[in-house]
Amino acid sequence: AQTVTQSQPEMSVQEAETVTLSCTYDTSESDYYLFWYKQPPSRQMILVIRQEAYKQQNATENRFSVNFQKAAKSFSLKISDSQLGDAAMYFCAYRTYGGATNKLIFGTGTLLAVQP
Amino acid sequence: DAGVIQSPRHEVTEMGQEVTLRCKPISGHDYLFWYRQTMMRGLELLIYFNNNVPIDDSGMPEDRFSAKMPNASFSTLKIQPSEPRDSAVYFCASSLGDSYSYEQYFGPGTRLTVT
Repeated sequence: AQTVTQSQPEMSVQEAETVTLSCTYDTSESDYYLFWYKQPPSRQMILVIRQEAYKQQNATENRFSVNFQKAAKSFSLKISDSQLGDAAMYFCAYRTYGGATNKLIFGTGTLLAVQP
Repeated sequence: DAGVIQSPRHEVTEMGQEVTLRCKPISGHDYLFWYRQTMMRGLELLIYFNNNVPIDDSGMPEDRFSAKMPNASFSTLKIQPSEPRDSAVYFCASSLGDSYSYEQYFGPGTRLTVT
């Protein structure tokens, strides 16, 4: 079974600085998707960024980028130029590629605080 | 599109009462998911449907929980009888099965408190 581990329960960053959130996963599959979701205090789960395992290029969405290391089964999220609105819980998630299974497996989350 | 709609946003009930949570997925989406979020267990998938048919209910904690999807635009999650340990935030999510990434769109959640 696949597992997702986020080893940093809490992180803090100064406004305008850069922070990296860690995520590792365990799988025997070669093709899969990885996601980072953001959950602000409003509770709404918002997709931040996605990565297809078959793509070597790291995904980027504006100030958010990932460092995907397939061999190491690592999928970290880098937030550049941190803003107060980035303060939230961040979840890493795994999904099997294609097929009938359409489950997301979530990590336990990292609570990010942004200091002004 | 209005996104995934859940009701109620908050529910407070007494132990032993029946609770029904409701979800309207995004129009055209063929997958619907029910999640539960607690501090102790994080985000857990309870059940998901494809084209209104339950595909995987292995996350449903016990027989007190049941979920239905009578049509493509409506689903319910029922707890009967409710217990204090059911207190959690329950999320509904939907996705389009033939999209390249199967991105799941979440509703705002229902915060359930069982006293």
